[in-house]
Amino acid sequence: EAQVTQNPRYLITVTGKKLTVTCSQNMNHEYMSWYRQDPGLGLRQIYYSMNVEVTDKGDVPEGYKVSRKEKRNFPLILESPSPNQTSLYFCASSPGGRKGAQYFGPGTRLLVL
Amino acid sequence: GESVGLHLPTLSVQEGDNSIINCAYSNSASDYFIWYKQESGKGPQFIIDIRSNMDKRQGQRVTVLLNKTVKHLSLQIAATQPGDSAVYFCAEKREAGTALIFGKGTTLSVSS
Repeated sequence: EAQVTQNPRYLITVTGKKLTVTCSQNMNHEYMSWYRQDPGLGLRQIYYSMNVEVTDKGDVPEGYKVSRKEKRNFPLILESPSPNQTSLYFCASSPGGRKGAQYFGPGTRLLVL
Repeated sequence: GESVGLHLPTLSVQEGDNSIINCAYSNSASDYFIWYKQESGKGPQFIIDIRSNMDKRQGQRVTVLLNKTVKHLSLQIAATQPGDSAVYFCAEKREAGTALIFGKGTTLSVSS
C-alpha cells in the first residue's frame, strides 16, 4: 500500500531533550516536506526537500533540522525542544515538480513540557 | 500579507444536500490549487486539484471551480454524506516556489 508513515504518533518530552520524528514514504517520491498544524494557524511548512541531499527552509524552520540521506526517509530533528514546539506534525511527499499534489502521513502529536 | 483563506470557518448541511466550500486567494501568480479533506485524528487527504488554465474540474461527487478574475476557488460536494464531515483546506502553489500555502480550513458538519 502506497503510504507515508511517521513515528512516533504521540510523544511527550521535556524541554531541551533532543528528539527525532521519522518519516518514510514508499512511493519513490522526490519531494518531501514537514508541516506543523496549530489551532487558528492552519498548516505551516517547516522544511522541504526536493531530492536526496537537497533541503530548504519553509515558513517556520526555527528550532528544527532535517536531513535527506535517502529518497524514502526525511526525519525531523528537534535538537532542543521548547514548549512552543508543542504541535501536530505532518510529513508529506509528492512525485515532484511544482504541480504535484502532496500526500500526507497520519501525524505526530508532540507535547513539550 | 498574501495568503489563501476560506470564507467561512464552519458549514452545516443536511445529508443529501449539496455543499459548497469557498476559498479566496490573493496572489494572481498562483497557478495550481488543491483541496484537502482532514478527518479528526488523521492527516490531510487529497481530494482534487486544478491548474490555473482550467475553470472547472470534476471528480467523484466533487467539483472544483476556479475563477481567476476574482481569485476565488470553490469545492462543491454533491449529495453530502455524514462521512463527508471533516475540515476542508484549500492550498495553492505559487509560480516561483514549491511550498504549499494552506488556508485555515472550513469545518463541514453533515447531519442525518
